Amino acid sequence: GDSVTQMEGPVTLSEEACLTINCTYTATGYPSLFWYVQYPGEGLQLLLKATKADDKGSNKGFEATYRKETTSFHLEKGSVQVSDSAVYFCALSAQGGSEKLVFGKGTKLTVNP
Amino acid sequence: DSGVTQTPKHLITATGQRVTLRCSPRSGDLSVYWYQQSLDQGLQFLIQYYNGEERAKGNILERFSAQQFPDLHSELNLSSLELGDSALYFCASSVSLGGSTEAFFGQGTRLTVV
Repeated sequence: GDSVTQMEGPVTLSEEACLTINCTYTATGYPSLFWYVQYPGEGLQLLLKATKADDKGSNKGFEATYRKETTSFHLEKGSVQVSDSAVYFCALSAQGGSEKLVFGKGTKLTVNP
Repeated sequence: DSGVTQTPKHLITATGQRVTLRCSPRSGDLSVYWYQQSLDQGLQFLIQYYNGEERAKGNILERFSAQQFPDLHSELNLSSLELGDSALYFCASSVSLGGSTEAFFGQGTRLTVV
């Protein structure tokens, strides 16, 4: 079945450091790919998405590129802030099927001042 | 605020009991999804309803059931509760079908079974 694998962390960075959270997926066809973020005590919020190969999703300084050849969707940010501290989830929605999301296990990011 | 409302926010109950979790989707959203988040299993899809009809089923136990009412709100019923059912239960909604459609999540109901 479909699955998502992401680095589990936790990841601790200093403010203004570069961030990469790796995400790879297994799915048939061309799934849509997402990054969701969960701040403490809150629900998940969509951070960015990409729906076809080579698409780049971006939001709030975060970027991820849909790489079909490596089945990857790594999350990157050039300079993190303390306010970016949260848990980040990579997810996919299978092509042509139910719109359910298949999530990775999440990566907890802590950014220190 | 995502526009998805879940009640209650916290629930503590004993093993063997039954509880009902409620979800009001965003205005206009026809699809409702239920997910379970636990430390060991992560975020798992349970079930999806679209405009009152069950559309997809995931890893939902037979002791669990759900429904979506004509006003589009949804309820997740958990019965014969076990300690292992303790988790955060999220409801999400989206406006339509389609794999690229954004799902909006509620803040979740934290269920503790003692």
